[in-house]
Amino acid sequence: DAGITQSPRYKITETGRQVTLMCHQTWSHSYMFWYRQDLGHGLRLIYYSAAADITDKGEVPDGYVVSRSKTENFPLTLESATRSQTSVYFCASSDSMGYYEQYFGPGTRLTVT
Amino acid sequence: AQSVTQLDSHVSVSEGTPVLLRCNYSSSYSPSLFWYVQHPNKGLQLLLKYTSAATLVKGINGFEAEFKKSETSFHLTKPSAHMSDAAEYFCVVSEGSGGSYIPTFGRGTSLIVHP
Repeated sequence: DAGITQSPRYKITETGRQVTLMCHQTWSHSYMFWYRQDLGHGLRLIYYSAAADITDKGEVPDGYVVSRSKTENFPLTLESATRSQTSVYFCASSDSMGYYEQYFGPGTRLTVT
Repeated sequence: AQSVTQLDSHVSVSEGTPVLLRCNYSSSYSPSLFWYVQHPNKGLQLLLKYTSAATLVKGINGFEAEFKKSETSFHLTKPSAHMSDAAEYFCVVSEGSGGSYIPTFGRGTSLIVHP
């Protein structure tokens, strides 16, 4: 199916554990993004990628790691999860940075206990 | 640096009445502006975008927005609200050539529609 998918959709983990959120897109978009959504903050950019093997920090990168070995995949890893990382995470993709629309995945709701 | 302010965190309207969601932006360059909608437990979907063409932009589901450079505003309107319009709405700014292309999101406006 064409589009952008995220997995898992829901995840509960314990403090200190490593967690990886997956994102996959089928459009061959160059740009991919990871956001977190928290009440009162809107969406905040964690990391973005302009192409395979090219990634850069966004507004709130601390505690997260990304990689992009293939154009279609952009996993986000929480190396040692903390309660402050409880959030809804959205992946997005786009043909450009800022000029064209972003296409968003359905989100992953992560709870860190 | 670019920024975006959504002036209302919540807007409540009755079905069939007009909708106005306000967005002001700050940008030193020619911005691209977007409105996205997020229905409960869903991802974001583009409503409309402005990228230096016509200042009045028409989007999906009867929404439109007007780019007013002198007022640095990009307010979203709809003549008649429908129950299905109840959602969270985000205004997004991205600077053009010379500035930061990284999209900046507003904090969102929750639209409540009463029967």
